[in-house]
Amino acid sequence: GENVEQHPSTLSVQEGDSAVIKCTYSDSASNYFPWYKQELGKRPQLIIDIRSNVGEKKDQRIAVTLNKTAKHFSLHITETQPEDSAVYFCAASIRSGGSYIPTFGRGTSLIVHP
Amino acid sequence: EAGVTQFPSHSVIEKGQTVTLRCDPISGHDNLYWYRRVMGKEIKFLLHFVKESKQDESGMPNNRFLAERTGGTYSTLKVQPAELEDSGVYFCASSQGSPGRAGVGNTQYFGPGTRLTVL
Repeated sequence: GENVEQHPSTLSVQEGDSAVIKCTYSDSASNYFPWYKQELGKRPQLIIDIRSNVGEKKDQRIAVTLNKTAKHFSLHITETQPEDSAVYFCAASIRSGGSYIPTFGRGTSLIVHP
Repeated sequence: EAGVTQFPSHSVIEKGQTVTLRCDPISGHDNLYWYRRVMGKEIKFLLHFVKESKQDESGMPNNRFLAERTGGTYSTLKVQPAELEDSGVYFCASSQGSPGRAGVGNTQYFGPGTRLTVL
C-alpha cells in the first residue's frame, strides 16, 4: 500500500520567513495530493491541493509543487505570519471512480515567531 | 451552512466498554469518511460511505469496529469492546462529490473530532 513520509516534524521560523514542508510517497499510481492545516483545537481544513497532471499550484502565499518522477511534493509558505502556526498534513491518494482513500503524513508542526 | 459535527467531543471509557461516536455530515453530502489519529502519528483512513453504502472499509482495524449510516444521513462508529490501543482522535469528514475531482463541490470537510481515551 501507499506510504507517505513527511518532514520535518517540527519547523520553527521567524515571521516573514519562508517555510517548506516536504512529503514523499511510494505508490506511483497516486494522483491527488491535498494539504490540510489544523490549528490548535480546530478541525483539519484543506488549504491547497494538486493533481498529478500539474507540476505546481499557487494560492496567494502558499504553493505546492509535485515531482512525479521523484515521487515527492512540497508545500511552500512565503511571508509567514503568526496565524500560519498550525499542524500541516500532506496526503497522497489514488482517486479511482468513486473511491477515495488518502494516506496521510504524520504532520508538521509549524511555529511562526512574531 | 453548518459544518460537519461530531458527538461527543470527548469520551473516556474503560477497557472492555462500548462507545458509539456520531457524525453529522454537511447536508447534501453523499460521501462520508471516518479517520483516526493516534497521538503523534498520521491520520489513518477507516472507511468511506457513499450515501448509506460502504464504498470502502479497508481501513477498519478489526471486527470490534462497526460503522453504520442508516438512511444515508448521519453515521455512527461503534467500538465494542474497546481496547487501550483504540485511544485517539476520531475524525469524520464529508464531501459532495469525490475529492480530487475538479470542482469546489468535491472539497472534503472535516469535523472537529472525538477524542477517545480508553483506560
